[in-house]
Amino acid sequence: DIVMTQSPDSLAVSLGERATIKCKSSQSLFHSSTNKNYLAWYHQKPGQPPKLLFYWASTRESGVPDRFSGSGSGTDFTLTINSLQAGDVAVFYCQQYYSPPYTFGQGTKLEIK
Amino acid sequence: EVQLVESGGDLVKPGGSLRLSCAASGFSFSNAFMNWVRQAPGKGLEWVGRIKSKTDGETTDYVAAVKGRFSISRDDSKNTVYLQMNSLKTEDTGVYYCSTDGYWGQGTLVTVSS
Repeated sequence: DIVMTQSPDSLAVSLGERATIKCKSSQSLFHSSTNKNYLAWYHQKPGQPPKLLFYWASTRESGVPDRFSGSGSGTDFTLTINSLQAGDVAVFYCQQYYSPPYTFGQGTKLEIK
Repeated sequence: EVQLVESGGDLVKPGGSLRLSCAASGFSFSNAFMNWVRQAPGKGLEWVGRIKSKTDGETTDYVAAVKGRFSISRDDSKNTVYLQMNSLKTEDTGVYYCSTDGYWGQGTLVTVSS
C-alpha cells in the first residue's frame, strides 16, 4: 500500500499570512502514460464532509479561491494557502488515487494564530 | 446538481451486519466509479473501497482492514451503491461517506458496540 505522510500535523498561522502543508508518498504518484500525478487535496470543516480542493496535484476545483495552490510531482507535494482568512480553518488531507487502496494522509489541522 | 445521500447507519453489536446505501442523482451514475470512505470519531479519513462501473467490469477493491468482511455492490437501475458490512468490529465505528469524482455525501453513522 502507498503510505501518505503529511507535515506538519498541525499549524497555526496569522491572518493574512501564508500556510504551507506538505504531503509525501511512499512511491511515485506520477503516471507516465497520462503525464499526471494522481493526488488530490481536500479540506474538512467540523461536522461537514470533505471538500475537494485540487486533483491531479495542481488542478484547482471549481469555486476554490486562487489563494489556494497545489504543486509537486512524484512523491512530494505541497498545498499553499496565501493571505490566510478565518474561514480557512479546517483539517486538510491529501489522498493518492494512483493505486488502490486509495490512501489518505493523516491530516493537518490549520488554526489561526 | 450532484447529490449523494447515504442511509442505513445504526447501532449494531460486534459480530453483527449492516447494509449502507448511497442514493445518487445529478450525474451519470452508471458510468461512475463509486467509493466508500469512513471516519472514526475524532480521527482522519480512511478509504474503505470502490466499485467500478459496469462497463469497467464492476470490479471492487478494498482496504485490507475490511477485506473479506465488507462488500460493495451497485444497482444502476436505482442509481444506488451499497456497502454490505459483516462481522462488524468496534473499530468499524464511524461516519461512512460515499463519494465519486470529488463529490461527497453527508455521511451515515455506524456504531458498533455491545
